Amino acid sequence: ETGVTQTPRHLVMGMTNKKSLKCEQHLGHNAMYWYKQSAKKPLELMFVYNFKEQTENNSVPSRFSPECPNSSHLFLHLHTLQPEDSALYLCASSQDKSARYGEQFFGPGTRLTVL
Amino acid sequence: EDQVTQSPEALRLQEGESSSLNCSYTVSGLRGLFWYRQDPGKGPEFLFTLYSAGEEKEKERLKATLTKKESFLHITAPKPEDSATYLCAVRGSQGNLIFGKGTKLSVKP
Repeated sequence: ETGVTQTPRHLVMGMTNKKSLKCEQHLGHNAMYWYKQSAKKPLELMFVYNFKEQTENNSVPSRFSPECPNSSHLFLHLHTLQPEDSALYLCASSQDKSARYGEQFFGPGTRLTVL
Repeated sequence: EDQVTQSPEALRLQEGESSSLNCSYTVSGLRGLFWYRQDPGKGPEFLFTLYSAGEEKEKERLKATLTKKESFLHITAPKPEDSATYLCAVRGSQGNLIFGKGTKLSVKP
């Protein structure tokens, strides 16, 4: 595997389910990000991890819970979601959060549908 | 407040018809402007980073330019495979990327 991978690619869940999204980066980066992409809206930054430490939580509801066990893996745990949480969830990585060359590289995303 | 505005929202071109996409930004001290391409159902693919006014970068039929207030993505003689949504982002004052809503480009053969 190369680049940034995400699983699953598609997920349908009920409002009472608990599920997790997984992201893995093979680029040797130290910063990882979760974004939410909804139709007609800009990408919304949700969480940032730099060297495994959470550095930012953009007022995300507690029904979204991130986990970063090491610099290569990032999870997003989901529970009691709402239909408005349906969106494309994107994971990204970069060299580190403060690097001058702050290009972020994205995974293919998980298309989430909450029924 | 850091802000990015892209125009037009959608652009339809005939194959070979050159045009430009615009990205206007407001940020305290630019620390990078980024262009991405996103195909339907996929994550954004990194294209360019620009750091200072006057800087230009090229890749195949794409050329990105930067001024103190905006960036342009020029597409020369586009082909149908250039159809995608093009996203612009700036590095905000907190260090994170602030994205625009994107321009959806359609190139008809």
